[in-house]
Amino acid sequence: EAGVAQSPRYKIIEKRQSVAFWCNPISGHATLYWYQQILGQGPKLLIQFQNNGVVDDSQLPKDRFSAERLKGVDSTLKIQPAKLEDSAVYLCASSLAGREDQRNTIYFGEGSWLTVV
Amino acid sequence: LAKTTQPISMDSYEGQEVNITCSHNNIATNDYITWYQQFPSQGPRFIIQGYKTKVTNEVASLFIPADRKSSTLSLPRVSLSDTAVYYCLVGKGYQAGTALIFGKGTTLSVSS
Repeated sequence: EAGVAQSPRYKIIEKRQSVAFWCNPISGHATLYWYQQILGQGPKLLIQFQNNGVVDDSQLPKDRFSAERLKGVDSTLKIQPAKLEDSAVYLCASSLAGREDQRNTIYFGEGSWLTVV
Repeated sequence: LAKTTQPISMDSYEGQEVNITCSHNNIATNDYITWYQQFPSQGPRFIIQGYKTKVTNEVASLFIPADRKSSTLSLPRVSLSDTAVYYCLVGKGYQAGTALIFGKGTTLSVSS
């Protein structure tokens, strides 16, 4: 079974530039998450989608970050303009949205490493 | 969401059993306990999940006392490849679409 795919794997940009990350979740997974992980810390949830609708974006810095999942499958996370403190790994994850008795295992991609200089 | 507390780091040697304890004093009745493992340059990976007593799979065991205010992840006979960060998470594991909230995790270092 294919896992969560992310690209690009690495990106270096200057501050105030823009960047976009792409994610393709596991086939059939209705729930998609974007997490930000700063070096030495645990992942922090940025946004959660259920199909193409946003469930939780309370921790997404909406003045510079945006995310979309137009057809309920692939998703794109954009940062514009980037700041130095945005340097982090951006992890995409997905899970089934099934019955309440189903194990809610969240599967992560390998992440997109962003360095803002 | 229940807050979790776990040691920042642990050291072990190959072949030893490692027990990582996590405290979650405010765990709710319908919360589950889930452990994830993260290697450098990779995303977190599910290890084990439980609600009460003991759960065992091919990778680890999870011990949960009756009051559920703590849990212990047990890794039998660790090897160098078990060096990773281990996260303890508490939430509605069986509620579809529930996001996981991560703490800082426990960095396990295994030496030869």
